[in-house]
Amino acid sequence: GAVVSQHPSWVICKSGTSVKIECRSLDFQATTMFWYRQFPKQSLMLMATSNEGSKATYEQGVEKDKFLINHASLTLSTLTVTSAHPEDSSFYICSAREEGTGMGDTQYFGPGTRLTVL
Amino acid sequence: AQRVTQPEKLLSVFKGAPVELKCNYSYSGSPELFWYVQYSRQRLQLLLRHISRESIKGFTADLNKGETSFHLKKPFAQEEDSAMYYCALSQYNQGGKLIFGQGTELSVKP
Repeated sequence: GAVVSQHPSWVICKSGTSVKIECRSLDFQATTMFWYRQFPKQSLMLMATSNEGSKATYEQGVEKDKFLINHASLTLSTLTVTSAHPEDSSFYICSAREEGTGMGDTQYFGPGTRLTVL
Repeated sequence: AQRVTQPEKLLSVFKGAPVELKCNYSYSGSPELFWYVQYSRQRLQLLLRHISRESIKGFTADLNKGETSFHLKKPFAQEEDSAMYYCALSQYNQGGKLIFGQGTELSVKP
């Protein structure tokens, strides 16, 4: 099946620094990727939709200047948490939509990135 | 507004017992519904989707448009079924993004 990778799997940074998280579709092309945030024992909260070659679409309440998304190729989307603060500590998960499978589109999820801001 | 509701946060059953994880939705168009499973320390993975009408790992789910439900069922639970289960709805008119329910933790005791 289709595989989505994320890098890094975990990161610890100091408050005020920026952190970049990569999401790659390894064996398929994805014009659309999604970024989620998951708090412990809670569901996934969609942050934004990443569109290849165009601007990302952010969900209500998500600061686009805080969470910069770039989808430069059909297999790579990046999420940059700018000027990170402790409240940004969370588990960030991406998914990539495999299109044209003949049964509707399927989303495949990455393993997630644990961000801890000190 | 589109919404997915999983009323049970935790469901605990004994091995061999039937299990039903509830999912209700509200959506103005024709929904596409999914069940995703997240085993401990693993990524979210697709369990099944309503349009394929498959049975995966013994689980089935039927879309009931009248009751706006998509409950997940398995006649005989196994210990390895213990995991978090998320019901999700796909919005095609918004680029296929998923709306997730709150999740139900299934615990199957020996």
